[in-house]
Amino acid sequence: AQSVTQLGSHVSVSEGALVLLRCNYSSSVPPYLFWYVQYPNQGLQLLLKYTSAATLVKGINGFEAEFKKSETSFHLTKPSAHMSDAAEYFCAVMIYSSASKIIFGSGTRLSIRP
Amino acid sequence: DAGVIQSPRHEVTEMGQEVTLRCKPISGHDYLFWYRQTMMRGLELLIYFNNNVPIDDSGMPEDRFSAKMPNASFSTLKIQPSEPRDSAVYFCASSTRESYGYTFGSGTRLTVV
Repeated sequence: AQSVTQLGSHVSVSEGALVLLRCNYSSSVPPYLFWYVQYPNQGLQLLLKYTSAATLVKGINGFEAEFKKSETSFHLTKPSAHMSDAAEYFCAVMIYSSASKIIFGSGTRLSIRP
Repeated sequence: DAGVIQSPRHEVTEMGQEVTLRCKPISGHDYLFWYRQTMMRGLELLIYFNNNVPIDDSGMPEDRFSAKMPNASFSTLKIQPSEPRDSAVYFCASSTRESYGYTFGSGTRLTVV
């Protein structure tokens, strides 16, 4: 069965520092992977997606993620954190054998220190 | 494009009452999903539809929950009777198979007292 595991329920970085949010996936077939962001009292917004094209995927707000098959990872990074990046981030995998069903990880709350 | 529209944004009801949550998907999207989000259980997929037909309702917690999609532009999630443990944020999302990713609504925060 396909699944994702997010390492660290809470990550805190200083403004201007590198952001690294970790996600590992489990899949017996090439997966489709996603990162979503949720700001307080809002729905989830798609940051970026990997659909078996380029392994380095660029998303909105300066975020990017790299698909590494050998490590079964899809970590999210941003070179320089902004205060506005404080939010909950969800890694997700699509079970395309079940027609577009997406399973979400448990989420990582990102805090930014001034 | 107005996005996925959910109503109401907030709902407070007494235990035992019927609650109906509503969702209007993005025009042209043929998949619709209902999720529930709680601190304890995270994001749970309750049910999803394709072309108005329920495909997988294995996440619906119990018979008190029911969902319908009478046409391509409207879906409801009903809880009858409601219980305090149903308190959560309920999200609706829609997509197409080609889009590979959902568009979420802003959610309905349900509080059952």
